[in-house]
Amino acid sequence: GAVVSQHPSWVICKSGTSVKIECRSLDFQATTMFWYRQFPKQSLMLMATSNEGSKATYEQGVEKDKFLINHASLTLSTLTVTSAHPEDSSFYICSARAQTGYGYTFGSGTRLTVV
Amino acid sequence: AQTVTQSQPEMSVQEAETVTLSCTYDTSESDYYLFWYKQPPSRQMILVIRQEAYKQQNATENRFSVNFQKAAKSFSLKISDSQLGDAAMYFCAYRTGTSGSRLTFGEGTQLTVNP
Repeated sequence: GAVVSQHPSWVICKSGTSVKIECRSLDFQATTMFWYRQFPKQSLMLMATSNEGSKATYEQGVEKDKFLINHASLTLSTLTVTSAHPEDSSFYICSARAQTGYGYTFGSGTRLTVV
Repeated sequence: AQTVTQSQPEMSVQEAETVTLSCTYDTSESDYYLFWYKQPPSRQMILVIRQEAYKQQNATENRFSVNFQKAAKSFSLKISDSQLGDAAMYFCAYRTGTSGSRLTFGEGTQLTVNP
């Protein structure tokens, strides 16, 4: 079945530094990538949607200059948290969709801790 | 805007028993899809079952089945013969029929399975 590899699975960084999270679709072409943020015991909150080769569409309240999304190829999308602060500590999950079909394939998530 | 509501933050069930998780949604669309996802402690999102709105027959996947009431906008999940491995957070989700559209998640229901 479809697989999305998300790395790193966890990362600790110092306040003020940037962190990049990668999601790779291993056996299909991800025309659309969704990036979510999840706090403990809460639902997934959509941050942005990106289509290959286009600029990402950010949800209201999400700072596009802080959360940089790149989807330059059909198999790779990245989320960069710039100038991270402790309040950015969270669980980040990507989800990919192919052009055909209605399935969503989720990455395994990245736990970000900013100290 | 579409909304998904899960009114049960927590549920518990005895091993081998049956439990039903509730979900209601609000939409003005006629073409849409509904999903139940499971998120175990590993936090990997796992698709449990999917229902197309145009299908009258309720979807079934082994021990998992849904009760889809389109007029009532209700989409409950029944887990039969509950197993310890079913313990997880369960999310109900909705998407429109438009290709590439986003998933809208409910708040989630934490299911505990007691031995």
